[in-house]
Amino acid sequence: DIQMTQSPSSLSASVGDRVTITCRASQSISSYLNWYQQKPGKAPELLIYAASTLQSGVPSRFSGSGSGTDFTLTISSLQPEDFATYYCQQSNSPPWTFGQGTKVEI
Amino acid sequence: EVQLVESGGGLVQPGGSLRLSCVASGFTFSTYWMHWVRQLPGKGLVWVSRINSDGTSISYADSVKGRFTISRDNARNTLYLQMNSLRAEDTAVYYCARVIIGGSRSMDYWGQGTLVTVSS
Repeated sequence: DIQMTQSPSSLSASVGDRVTITCRASQSISSYLNWYQQKPGKAPELLIYAASTLQSGVPSRFSGSGSGTDFTLTISSLQPEDFATYYCQQSNSPPWTFGQGTKVEI
Repeated sequence: EVQLVESGGGLVQPGGSLRLSCVASGFTFSTYWMHWVRQLPGKGLVWVSRINSDGTSISYADSVKGRFTISRDNARNTLYLQMNSLRAEDTAVYYCARVIIGGSRSMDYWGQGTLVTVSS
């Protein structure tokens, strides 16, 4: 199975900060990397797919990069509604696996 | 508007069974692959199972293989997860999710989830 490791597990930031979350795959997954946002009590929502493609309706302050084994999610200017937990997920091969999550707190 | 609505969760004793349903609307259900993903209380997301658009290709996580069965009824726009021989470690919120059209295989819409609690 492909292991997905996110860092950090949690971070504290302020509104307006630039935030970067990294995700590392245990083997190459090309660009089959997706990012999801989850708020408490809610279902996850797709932010970015194929490593760098913004899902329709997602604000442009979110961006993704990387390929192979190393990936990054960046929020250019953190907004109050961005405080949430973020998960990466590989869709290269089953079993589809998720990172452990990064909780972004105030 | 795309909607996925899960139901069927509840409290069940260890060794028992439950069938989850996910009713889809707002899109042509029969053309989309679908997943079940679960989230243990206070924990991260774990993939459970996937089915292709016509039900002929299925895969499972090792942890549920032989106990869970994914299926779909395209005439009823409904995805199912039959869960047998339930264990305490199956306690989780179960989400159905749609696979995006295109090559990325990401999950672009999720249901609100249904809670399964396995306890005596």
